[in-house]
Amino acid sequence: GAGVSQSPSNKVTEKGKDVELRCDPISGHTALYWYRQSLGQGLEFLIYFQGNSAPDKSGLPSDRFSAERTGGSVSTLTIQRTQQEDSAVYLCASSPNPAGSSYEQYFGPGTRLTVT
Amino acid sequence: DQQVKQNSPSLSVQEGRISILNCDYTNSMFDYFLWYKKYPAEGPTFLISISSIKDKNEDGRFTVFLNKSAKHLSLHIVPSQPGDSAVYFCAAAGAGNMLTFGGGTRLMVKP
Repeated sequence: GAGVSQSPSNKVTEKGKDVELRCDPISGHTALYWYRQSLGQGLEFLIYFQGNSAPDKSGLPSDRFSAERTGGSVSTLTIQRTQQEDSAVYLCASSPNPAGSSYEQYFGPGTRLTVT
Repeated sequence: DQQVKQNSPSLSVQEGRISILNCDYTNSMFDYFLWYKKYPAEGPTFLISISSIKDKNEDGRFTVFLNKSAKHLSLHIVPSQPGDSAVYFCAAAGAGNMLTFGGGTRLMVKP
């Protein structure tokens, strides 16, 4: 079946502009996560959606970052007034089960964001 | 404060030999551990996992060892193959459904 998809695969934007990154999770997966990987760094958690519950936004680095998940499926990560330090690969993952199961997450290919 | 650390940023191994990737954690509430493999321009893919009630889990060429008292886990790949060359991330889970990732180790397997 189809895996997690993300669009665009690459995005170059000027400092100060807003960007939207899209994630289509695996159909039926109730949990959706956003991470980012800066150059040479590990994966940094950003935000987590589980079903219809309020999202866990504890990883968002600033109020310029926000995310939505519409209809329990597609998610959009928005970065307002982008800064050069926002340049990173933004990864989306989904998971079929809530807490207590195998914790395995399925990742998309990522969106490489470059802020010039 | 990094709760999951992979202290070796890179590792080079000869084909056919054993690769050992290490991971340390600080949070004693973590009770499930996973290893992910990542090729360039692709998302991480799940490799193998272990629950804290076990000290070893094996899947083909891949074995994960967990030492809870030392808060240390390792991934053994034997025999190593050139196709294993990738970045390997360890991840830990505790209460809730969150994963905390280490910084990754780049493995290079030389033919």
